[in-house]
Amino acid sequence: DQQVKQNSPSLSVQEGRISILNCDYTNSMFDYFLWYKKYPAEGPTFLISISSIKDKNEDGRFTVFLNKSAKHLSLHIVPSQPGDSAVYFCAASEDSGTYKYIFGTGTRLKVLA
Amino acid sequence: DTGVSQDPRHKITKRGQNVTFRCDPISEHNRLYWYRQTLGQGPEFLTYFQNEAQLEKSRLLSDRFSAERPKGSFSTLEIQRTEQGDSAMYLCASTNSGRGPYNEQFFGPGTRLTVL
Repeated sequence: DQQVKQNSPSLSVQEGRISILNCDYTNSMFDYFLWYKKYPAEGPTFLISISSIKDKNEDGRFTVFLNKSAKHLSLHIVPSQPGDSAVYFCAASEDSGTYKYIFGTGTRLKVLA
Repeated sequence: DTGVSQDPRHKITKRGQNVTFRCDPISEHNRLYWYRQTLGQGPEFLTYFQNEAQLEKSRLLSDRFSAERPKGSFSTLEIQRTEQGDSAMYLCASTNSGRGPYNEQFFGPGTRLTVL
């Protein structure tokens, strides 16, 4: 049972344009969401997070939007840069004491120069 | 401290052999997590430690897997009698729960295991 889903395995965007990566979840107990970026041969690197009490969080070029009723979140990257090319993972956590992450399957973003 | 480190980075072994991986977390982090990532999938939770106590294990962690974190510092993950299905990237992550439960986890570069 995939509790966190990223339905787009890949995405190509022109440099300078907006990249939108999507993520859906099924567990209504999730209350904290994160985006990680992963380059080949490296571990995932934290990008941005959002608590369920918010619907938007911004950090520079990165903005995460959360729609709790739809159980959907998205990551917007504006403007996209070639260095943003990586695999992006959405992750979710719940207040269970463990705070383990449940990851989606990832979206490979390619930013074309 | 430059981050979470893992050793070895790559391990190739024959089916039936035992392997052990090591993770050194960021020094002030009291929580340590192990995840496994297979091709085309996101990382999947295996187990976690708060200091030296192992507090949760996933059902993915069969009896052939054992993890330790003596003295609450580095951690080891051992796989006995490896099978080809164990081939994966094994990721370690750490965080400091003292700053609140929802601090991001910092990941190491992973150990890629190939079982022939």
